Amino acid sequence: EVQLVESGGGLVQPGGSLRLSCIASGFTFSLYTMHWVRQAPGTGLEYVSAITGNGDSIYYANSVKGRFTISRDNSKNTLYLQMGSLRPDDMAIYYCARERAGYYFDFWGQGTLVTVSS
Amino acid sequence: EIVLTQSPDTLSLSPGERATLSCRASQSVSSSLAWYQQKPGQAPRLLIYDTSNRATGIPARFSGSGSGTDFTLTISSLEPEDFALYYCQQRSNWPLTFGGGTKVEIK
Repeated sequence: EVQLVESGGGLVQPGGSLRLSCIASGFTFSLYTMHWVRQAPGTGLEYVSAITGNGDSIYYANSVKGRFTISRDNSKNTLYLQMGSLRPDDMAIYYCARERAGYYFDFWGQGTLVTVSS
Repeated sequence: EIVLTQSPDTLSLSPGERATLSCRASQSVSSSLAWYQQKPGQAPRLLIYDTSNRATGIPARFSGSGSGTDFTLTISSLEPEDFALYYCQQRSNWPLTFGGGTKVEIK
């Protein structure tokens, strides 16, 4: 059974940093491109970042470029999102998602909540 | 950036009725569109990809159609578990974008 479990969310002050993790199981992690998608409270979905299976290709949405870094450790079946210079509009539930072939997301974690507030 | 506009915002229907949800793209996405369902407190679930292909385990009452800029998700006969939020997503251009969602609620 495919499982994605996020962790690392919490309360952080504006300008602060946080690292999210997503532990994968039930599939060969290294073969899949993985993504981060976020959802601000009560609103829709916003695409954040992607990393290919071997990490050689990475994409960021303009809203997080230069502040967030996506990475992965295939030996640990873990996806990361290092977030810096956090702003109130970064406050959201952050989901990791597995890419089904062709930039669609066939499995999602349950999300981890990031709150940015002083 | 391709903007996806979903309509209506809310659809009030009874179990057994047919639901028709719309997603319009600001420019052509060919057939590169997916639909997701999200229930309160849960992650989204992939229903339809590439306009009309049902994802694994998705019941046949869910169907998708369209091309270019206009797409439709149809639920042929609403079951109690279908009352939820629905989002469309395009993969034609970066950044990948989602629509604002349509809530299907019980009338």
